[in-house]
Amino acid sequence: SQQGEEDPQALSIQEGENATMNCSYKTSINNLQWYRQNSGRGLVHLILIRSNEREKHSGRLRVTLDTSKKSSSLLITASRAADTASYFCATGIGGATNKLIFGTGTLLAVQP
Amino acid sequence: GAVVSQHPSWVICKSGTSVKIECRSLDFQATTMFWYRQFPKQSLMLMATSNEGSKATYEQGVEKDKFLINHASLTLSTLTVTSAHPEDSSFYICSGTGRSPPTDTQYFGPGTRLTVL
Repeated sequence: SQQGEEDPQALSIQEGENATMNCSYKTSINNLQWYRQNSGRGLVHLILIRSNEREKHSGRLRVTLDTSKKSSSLLITASRAADTASYFCATGIGGATNKLIFGTGTLLAVQP
Repeated sequence: GAVVSQHPSWVICKSGTSVKIECRSLDFQATTMFWYRQFPKQSLMLMATSNEGSKATYEQGVEKDKFLINHASLTLSTLTVTSAHPEDSSFYICSGTGRSPPTDTQYFGPGTRLTVL
């Protein structure tokens, strides 16, 4: 399977703490994207990092990409209870059509 | 911008019937649309990729005769689950990409929950 793996599978932290999620993948990629999903809902795009980029920031989010190790991490700083959700990494592969292969996901619970 | 809608948001049907799910890009032209399924507490699995006006490309293990995909216009793709069975019960999510916004970002619909009795 091409599916990437994320760890941890579940993470519980207190409000105000930082949350770090890791993603490993298997193939060459065009880009790597992070999404969040609230229970039973659709996906929200968080951030995209291209294969030639190493780090990207967006608000309280920081994403790193190490293509030599085929891994990425998502850091959420100063977490809030509203950040509670599942987080998925997705690798963009292929030529003209950028298919997304999703990782297994991390369930983040932020306790108030 | 870049909003994708799905209809219906949930559907319950009897085993053996067919169900059609619509996916619409509301404010952009989706040259490519993707269909995913997601089982409870699992990740999204890509089922197929469809380009406007051409046949869909199915992922390995996905039966094209069971999951019929039509992408007749730049704003509409449909997924028909034919002769549905309880094991087809799942959350089906579509996404679209276009020339603008950039094609490497997919915009997802809110999903359709299918329950087959």
